[in-house]
Amino acid sequence: EPEVTQTPSHQVTQMGQEVILRCVPISNHLYFYWYRQILGQKVEFLVSFYNNEISEKSEIFDDQFSVERPDGSNFTLKIRSTKLEDSAMYFCASSETPNTGELFFGEGSRLTVL
Amino acid sequence: AQTVTQSQPEMSVQEAETVTLSCTYDTSESDYYLFWYKQPPSRQMILVIRQEAYKQQNATENRFSVNFQKAAKSFSLKISDSQLGDAAMYFCAYRSAEGNAGNMLTFGGGTRLMVKP
Repeated sequence: EPEVTQTPSHQVTQMGQEVILRCVPISNHLYFYWYRQILGQKVEFLVSFYNNEISEKSEIFDDQFSVERPDGSNFTLKIRSTKLEDSAMYFCASSETPNTGELFFGEGSRLTVL
Repeated sequence: AQTVTQSQPEMSVQEAETVTLSCTYDTSESDYYLFWYKQPPSRQMILVIRQEAYKQQNATENRFSVNFQKAAKSFSLKISDSQLGDAAMYFCAYRSAEGNAGNMLTFGGGTRLMVKP
């Protein structure tokens, strides 16, 4: 069964460093998302992406964050200058349609900022 | 803004028994969707069941069913004949059906379900 895959599974970085989290969505999906979950808190929406553009973004998704689909398979989340509060599990998801609510999630990338 | 609350951080159930997970939400919208997602340990979150707010009939998927009470803003998940594979974190989620909500989901805090053999 097709799956969304994410790399790395865990990344430790120093505050101020740039981080790129990578995702390979399901191949025939056209809509892509990033969510995050800070330890002990709820899963939160960050951004949705379609047709090489951001469709929606939350208040969390400020200028420090960017997303890109650099080729036909990868979908990346970049954090330019990491802060301690960026430590979280980051979930990539994809979907066939933009409005059914059926998202296919990856296992997550745990980011630890020291 | 919408909020989703799951008041049970942990629940346990005996194998083959029935368990109900609670979810309440707050919204001023009349049209929306509600979901239950399941996340087994170290695995991806997967959609278990979906309910459209305009439908009065409660959604059912095999052993999983919901009790949707729109006026009370309550959306509970019932798992019948619980199996060991049902052990997971369960998330309740809300999606607006208005405007350009896309697939922006608002999640509850999750309920960890343990299944005892």
